[in-house]
Amino acid sequence: ETGVTQTPRHLVMGMTNKKSLKCEQHLGHNAMYWYKQSAKKPLELMFVYNFKEQTENNSVPSRFSPECPNSSHLFLHLHTLQPEDSALYLCASSPLVTVTNQPQHFGDGTRLSIL
Amino acid sequence: GESVGLHLPTLSVQEGDNSIINCAYSNSASDYFIWYKQESGKGPQFIIDIRSNMDKRQGQRVTVLLNKTVKHLSLQIAATQPGDSAVYFCAEKGGSNYKLTFGKGTLLTVNP
Repeated sequence: ETGVTQTPRHLVMGMTNKKSLKCEQHLGHNAMYWYKQSAKKPLELMFVYNFKEQTENNSVPSRFSPECPNSSHLFLHLHTLQPEDSALYLCASSPLVTVTNQPQHFGDGTRLSIL
Repeated sequence: GESVGLHLPTLSVQEGDNSIINCAYSNSASDYFIWYKQESGKGPQFIIDIRSNMDKRQGQRVTVLLNKTVKHLSLQIAATQPGDSAVYFCAEKGGSNYKLTFGKGTLLTVNP
């Protein structure tokens, strides 16, 4: 149990579908992150939220839309995705988004496949 | 931009042996480093971290060594067990930037 729960664990969708990924953290953290993990590539940061406010959008296409209603929950809304968007999407949390040295704690991810 | 890389993409060891996984980084301003373990079907799991004012830190069966002179980081696993089989990757944080930069990972396989 990592303290960060992601649902669903697997998702298969067509390019015209709309779906959402959910992340919930039980660690009392105030910062939450979305990462994309593709085969043979390093983790790619997508979005960062600190106290529910978005502090980073790493040039992510608008077909990915994040939402952070509170410090414990994070969503990633998906629409009209492309086959190259198939990947493992990881959520992480940390106490704060600051320059202090704190590890990020990850969920087990949602394996997304675009048909 | 700055990048973090690994010398060896795969490492195969016998059960009971010690394992050493290496990581090179290029940002001389990096002040914080983390090692993660990722098992198949799971997310990255925090193993150990080290700040740049240290050159060695020990945990349970794991030791991280930091050589700032050559910008090199290593993870040593003592008495490697089959449960240690996973992808290991390092991450670094560069000075005033809060973002973590991740390496691609090394696949560690432990043979019984």
